[in-house]
Amino acid sequence: EDQVTQSPEALRLQEGESSSLNCSYTVSGLRGLFWYRQDPGKGPEFLFTLYSAGEEKEKERLKATLTKKESFLHITAPKPEDSATYLCAVQAASGGSYIPTFGRGTSLIVHP
Amino acid sequence: KAGVTQTPRYLIKTRGQQVTLSCSPISGHRSVSWYQQTPGQGLQFLFEYFSETQRNKGNFPGRFSGRQFSNSRSEMNVSTLELGDSALYLCASNTGTAEQGYTFGSGTRLTVV
Repeated sequence: EDQVTQSPEALRLQEGESSSLNCSYTVSGLRGLFWYRQDPGKGPEFLFTLYSAGEEKEKERLKATLTKKESFLHITAPKPEDSATYLCAVQAASGGSYIPTFGRGTSLIVHP
Repeated sequence: KAGVTQTPRYLIKTRGQQVTLSCSPISGHRSVSWYQQTPGQGLQFLFEYFSETQRNKGNFPGRFSGRQFSNSRSEMNVSTLELGDSALYLCASNTGTAEQGYTFGSGTRLTVV
């Protein structure tokens, strides 16, 4: 069974204080790993897809990296508007169903 | 382009009633998936429809059902509502291959009293 564990559950940062969110996964062959951002009262917003170990993708202050067992979402010099819940999801390469399995998310609060 | 539209945004129902939620995907997206989100369980997959056919189904009881119309719009129905069905129900669409990521709607907040 595919499993996704995100840590920490919650993270409080001061504006400008860089940090990383972790997504550990167990999947029978990784087809893709996804990062989403979710603001309160809204649906998740797609950020990145990573396909293979060593791959990196960047968007503004966010950089996602991937190894064979985990992914990191690095947040550089965060701003209060980066406050949100960040969700990680994995898609298995085998088994027919390619429905992503989501982690519980990391709730990030950035204080001004 | 217009995003994924879910209606209604909020709903309050009584235990035992049934409810129908609606989702209009992005134009051109043929896959529509439904998720239940609760603080305790996170995002749980309900089912996926592609070209009017249910392609995948999650581990939810038969009280949860759905359908997709020829214009790709989708509805989900929950019968005999229970208090535990209170959740945010999210609809997501994509072109049919999940690698490109899903576009989610803002959800329907269902409260069962």
